[in-house]
Amino acid sequence: EVQLVESGGGLVQSGGSLRLSCAASGFIFRKYWMNWVRQAPGKGLEWVANIKEDGSESYYVDSVKGRFTISRDNTKNSLDLQMNSLRVEDTAVYYCAGGNSPDRWNWFDPWGQGTLVTVSS
Amino acid sequence: DIVMTQSPDSLAVSLGERATINCKSSQSVLYSSNNKNYLAWYQQKPGQPPKLLIYWASTRESGVPDRFSGSGSGTEFTLTISSLQAEDVAVYYCQQYYNIPLTFGGGTKVEIK
Repeated sequence: EVQLVESGGGLVQSGGSLRLSCAASGFIFRKYWMNWVRQAPGKGLEWVANIKEDGSESYYVDSVKGRFTISRDNTKNSLDLQMNSLRVEDTAVYYCAGGNSPDRWNWFDPWGQGTLVTVSS
Repeated sequence: DIVMTQSPDSLAVSLGERATINCKSSQSVLYSSNNKNYLAWYQQKPGQPPKLLIYWASTRESGVPDRFSGSGSGTEFTLTISSLQAEDVAVYYCQQYYNIPLTFGGGTKVEIK
């Protein structure tokens, strides 16, 4: 069974840090671009970051550049998101999602269940 | 950035009737070298992650009922639910994967009339 399980969410004060993790199973993790996508409470979806299959390239939405770092460990089938200098507007459910497509940029499938990050002022 | 604009924001459709959701991109997501539109559609039910329905604008994901169909090219796209079922109540999103940053439409909420 294909599965992505996120962990590490919680309540943090503005300016603080949090590290999210995503454990993958049931598919060949090292062959997928991987992504973080977030959803603020009651709002739509926002792509946050992605990382190439071998970890050699990563890209970010402008609002998190310089604050968030995506990384992966293909030996452990795991994906991380280090979030520093957190802001109230980073409050959201963070989803781990596989990047699916034979091309460079992807649609998202599979998805994890998400982990909630709440940043308080 | 490619801005994705969905319409309407919400719609109420009777069971068995057709639901149509529109998505416009601020620039073309048609890649001329392969004639493919880099556009996907997702369904999200309350408390659940999004579920992929369609990619390449019109290719249905395995296991997705054939009442869901995608059409369009360039900058204008449509998701059609041909005969709405109760389990189709959800928010639907379009997403472009033509360029970074990957962007989503604002979502369309589908309800039963």
